[in-house]
Amino acid sequence: EVQLVESGGGLVQPGGSLRLSCAASGFTFSSYWMSWVRQAPGKGLEWVANIKQGGSEKYYVDSVKGRFTISRDNAKNSLYLQMNSLRAEDAAVYYCARCEIYYYDSSGYWGFDYWGQGTLVTVSS
Amino acid sequence: DIQMTQSPSSLSASVGDRVTITCRASQYISTNLNWYQQKPGKAPKFLIYAASSLQSGVPSRFSGSGSGTDFTLTISSLQPEDFATYYCQQSYSTPWTFGQGTKVEIK
Repeated sequence: EVQLVESGGGLVQPGGSLRLSCAASGFTFSSYWMSWVRQAPGKGLEWVANIKQGGSEKYYVDSVKGRFTISRDNAKNSLYLQMNSLRAEDAAVYYCARCEIYYYDSSGYWGFDYWGQGTLVTVSS
Repeated sequence: DIQMTQSPSSLSASVGDRVTITCRASQYISTNLNWYQQKPGKAPKFLIYAASSLQSGVPSRFSGSGSGTDFTLTISSLQPEDFATYYCQQSYSTPWTFGQGTKVEIK
């Protein structure tokens, strides 16, 4: 059974840092792209970052570029999100999600097929 | 960035009703469109990929259609467990973006 378990959320002051972790099990972690997706309280979903299987490619939403860093440790089956210079607008539930590619009609289609339960980040003084 | 716009933002329906949710992309995305269901306090659940392909285990009352910029999620006969918020998401180009959500409530 695929499981993704996030941890590391909490209360942090504006300008502070936090490191989120996601422990993966039930699948070959090193074979998948992984993502972080966030959801501000009462709001919709926002993709934050992606990382390729070996960590060589990383992509970020513009609002976190230069402040957040996605990384992974395939030996530990773990995904991370280092968040620096946190702002009030970064407050959200952060989800770890597995990226699956589906081949259909000779094309590939990406989707988030498994999600963790989320970890809450609160940014407040 | 590609903007995704869902309509309506919310709707009220009864068990057994046919429900349709629309998602429009701000530019061409072929069929790189996914649908998710989210219940309060829970993580999203993957329903449909490539605009019309049902994820494994998803009931057949859910269906998707569309290509280019206009897409539809249909629930053929609404069940009690279907009351939730539904999101579309494009995976055509980064940043991958979501619609604002459509909340399906009990009438």
